[in-house]
Amino acid sequence: AQKITQTQPGMFVQEKEAVTLDCTYDTSDPSYGLFWYKQPSSGEMIFLIYQGSYDQQNATEGRYSLNFQKARKSANLVISASQLGDSAMYFCAMREGATGGYQKVTFGTGTKLQVIP
Amino acid sequence: DTAVSQTPKYLVTQMGNDKSIKCEQNLGHDTMYWYKQDSKKFLKIMFSYNNKELIINETVPNRFSPKSPDKAHLNLHINSLELGDSAVYFCASSQAAGPQHFGDGTRLSIL
Repeated sequence: AQKITQTQPGMFVQEKEAVTLDCTYDTSDPSYGLFWYKQPSSGEMIFLIYQGSYDQQNATEGRYSLNFQKARKSANLVISASQLGDSAMYFCAMREGATGGYQKVTFGTGTKLQVIP
Repeated sequence: DTAVSQTPKYLVTQMGNDKSIKCEQNLGHDTMYWYKQDSKKFLKIMFSYNNKELIINETVPNRFSPKSPDKAHLNLHINSLELGDSAVYFCASSQAAGPQHFGDGTRLSIL
């Protein structure tokens, strides 16, 4: 079974609109973390936002927010007020296992977001 | 002041050669990783070291050998390069449950 599933290979959004990128995960570990990364065409991997499995509130970082629905095992990324510079590949990732050394991080297949002027 | 730096940025070489990629982090993180990103952008973990100790070794051909001289460095040596090794290789580091910080990647092209 896929650990991280991103069902949208590509998405379009109008500039200044909000967009939601989907991510579902599968784990039996009670302690895990969920991450979103952005990879622009220049190739670097940029950390955006983190949600821990025990966090009570949804994470937010500027225009990024994570819609965490634990029972549904989903961790969707919401980007508000899209900008042209948001055009990039977005990866959802999950860390399983206790902290302190042994952590395996699995990445989804990514969603390519294109912002239309 | 680069957090995770890897060299070289580009590596073009012939099949059968041996090459190394170096990685250094100045974040004081305990854990370092090597990932391979294929042409379809799929990121797969290869190795992970925690305080110089190998903790994750995925199904990777033994032509790939990581080496961590100290917790700030994790190098990757590849023997007998094959066409299928062409990819972007990313080094990353993290501390405890925190996010991974990535280097800019090394684009390896095998001729």
